[in-house]
Amino acid sequence: KQEVTQIPAALSVPEGENLVLNCSFTDSAIYNLQWFRQDPGKGLTSLLLIQSSQREQTSGRLNASLDKSSGRSTLYIAASQPGDSATYLCAVRWDKLSFGAGTTVTVRA
Amino acid sequence: GAVVSQHPSRVICKSGTSVKIECRSLDFQATTMFWYRQFPKQSLMLMATSNEGSKATYEQGVEKDKFLINHASLTLSTLTVTSAHPEDSSFYICSAPTDPRRYTFGSGTRLTVV
Repeated sequence: KQEVTQIPAALSVPEGENLVLNCSFTDSAIYNLQWFRQDPGKGLTSLLLIQSSQREQTSGRLNASLDKSSGRSTLYIAASQPGDSATYLCAVRWDKLSFGAGTTVTVRA
Repeated sequence: GAVVSQHPSRVICKSGTSVKIECRSLDFQATTMFWYRQFPKQSLMLMATSNEGSKATYEQGVEKDKFLINHASLTLSTLTVTSAHPEDSSFYICSAPTDPRRYTFGSGTRLTVV
């Protein structure tokens, strides 16, 4: 069964600390993997998209890595800010897009 | 960039009534639209895939008679929750592929059935 898992479910850090969010998936034959941000009661904002042939993607303070063989992706957010507080969702595309339950991040000022 | 406009953002309805949720692709043609449901602190679950001009494909366990999906044009897909009950209260969100690799999501609809 193709599943996506995100641990921990919640994370609280002081402002300025680097964030490390983990995503694991059960089937390495992925098409791509995407990280999203979701604010409370809102839709999804795409952060980074990694194709199956890629090892990482970077955008500003965000960096996402992909290791298909171990079924893992990690989202790094450097120098966290209170505005980074949100839920971060990992989504893996096999034939369809499957989501993890997310990690809710709180950055304390 | 590509935008999917979803309305309403919030709706409260009485038990037994029907509610329609619309998703429009604003600057691209969406031949396919995906509909998801999200319970609090849980992941998005794919409910169904709508295709313009043909019947929607429902995921296992989703009642097609309760969740009616219509995709009558290349820019509009609708989800109607029929005879809504409190257990249908949830966050519903649509998405459309904007290129072969990427999906764009609507802003979601919070449905509360009282």
